[in-house]
Amino acid sequence: AQSVTQPDIHITVSEGASLELRCNYSYGATPYLFWYVQSPGQGLQLLLKYFSGDTLVQGIKGFEAEFKRSQSSFNLRKPSVHWSDAAEYFCAVVSNAGKSTFGDGTTLTVKP
Amino acid sequence: GAGVSQSPSNKVTEKGKDVELRCDPISGHTALYWYRQSLGQGLEFLIYFQGNSAPDKSGLPSDRFSAERTGGSVSTLTIQRTQQEDSAVYLCASSLGGVKETQYFGPGTRLLVL
Repeated sequence: AQSVTQPDIHITVSEGASLELRCNYSYGATPYLFWYVQSPGQGLQLLLKYFSGDTLVQGIKGFEAEFKRSQSSFNLRKPSVHWSDAAEYFCAVVSNAGKSTFGDGTTLTVKP
Repeated sequence: GAGVSQSPSNKVTEKGKDVELRCDPISGHTALYWYRQSLGQGLEFLIYFQGNSAPDKSGLPSDRFSAERTGGSVSTLTIQRTQQEDSAVYLCASSLGGVKETQYFGPGTRLLVL
């Protein structure tokens, strides 16, 4: 069975600091991996996705994520966080059959 | 263009009543997903429709939950004999189809069962 673990429930960083949100997955084949963001009062929006090829993928809003098969990880990073990045972030794995499994999310707070 | 819409935006019902939640996907999207998001939790997969294929119902939590998609477009999620633990935000998403496609989410229906 596929699963996603986001070990950090809540992370606080200062504005301008770097950010890394962790995601570990379990899936028997090559995973299709996604990061979504849910801002307060808004719907979920795709940040980036990985299927194959270059293991470092770039997304919107200056986010990037690196796929590491050996560690079953797909961590999300941003070099310099902005106050508007405060939101909840979800990692997801999609199977070949289209079934989506989301992690429980990481809430990001940005300190001024 | 129009995004995914869901109705109602909020629903308050009494325990034991049936409720119907509606999702209008983006025009041309062949895949449609339903999720449940309980307070402080991630998204729980409920059901997935892809084109004319039989839906993947593996995420439905009990036989009180059912969903249909008419004409490959609008979908209705029905919860019969609602229970307090059904209180959650129900999210619908659609995509062009295929596992690599981005899912576009609606604003959700917030269900409260008293």
